[in-house]
Amino acid sequence: GAGVSQSPSNKVTEKGKDVELRCDPISGHTALYWYRQSLGQGLEFLIYFQGNSAPDKSGLPSDRFSAERTGGSVSTLTIQRTQQEDSAVYLCASSLAALAGTPYEQYFGPGTRLTVT
Amino acid sequence: EDQVTQSPEALRLQEGESSSLNCSYTVSGLRGLFWYRQDPGKGPEFLFTLYSAGEEKEKERLKATLTKKESFLHITAPKPEDSATYLCAVQAQKGGSEKLVFGKGTKLTVNP
Repeated sequence: GAGVSQSPSNKVTEKGKDVELRCDPISGHTALYWYRQSLGQGLEFLIYFQGNSAPDKSGLPSDRFSAERTGGSVSTLTIQRTQQEDSAVYLCASSLAALAGTPYEQYFGPGTRLTVT
Repeated sequence: EDQVTQSPEALRLQEGESSSLNCSYTVSGLRGLFWYRQDPGKGPEFLFTLYSAGEEKEKERLKATLTKKESFLHITAPKPEDSATYLCAVQAQKGGSEKLVFGKGTKLTVNP
């Protein structure tokens, strides 16, 4: 079946502009995650959505970052007033809802490469 | 704070030369340890989940093992197509968040 899709695959923007990154999770997956991968760094957690629960925003690096998930499916990550340090690959993942004590594996999309000039 | 350290950072092998990658972790209650493979320009591809010490899982030339402090990814008789970055991640028991904490990865190159 179809995997996680992300768009655009590449985005070049000028410092100070706002950008929106989109993620379409695997059908039936109720959990959705955003991560960031910077050059030479590991994947860094940003935000997590699970059904109708309040999202876990603990990984967002500043209030310039926000995300929403509409209708329990598609998610958009918005970065306002972009800075050069925001340049990275932004990865989206989805999974089935975790049963108590049993985690499900997360399946990743191909990522959006963001370059801020 | 949950932490994952992978070693070595990079590893070069000849085709057929078996070796192991290490993932050391500290976590406040382990729910699961995950191994992923990442090819250049692509998202991570899921390989294994390990839940408790002593558990082992195998897939083709790969075998993952888990202790209370570390995990190993053993690669037996590797082929050039096994070249990739291998990522280790942990998921903690606390707080109900399902986030993964990743190591920086081991870049494996297998020469023909």
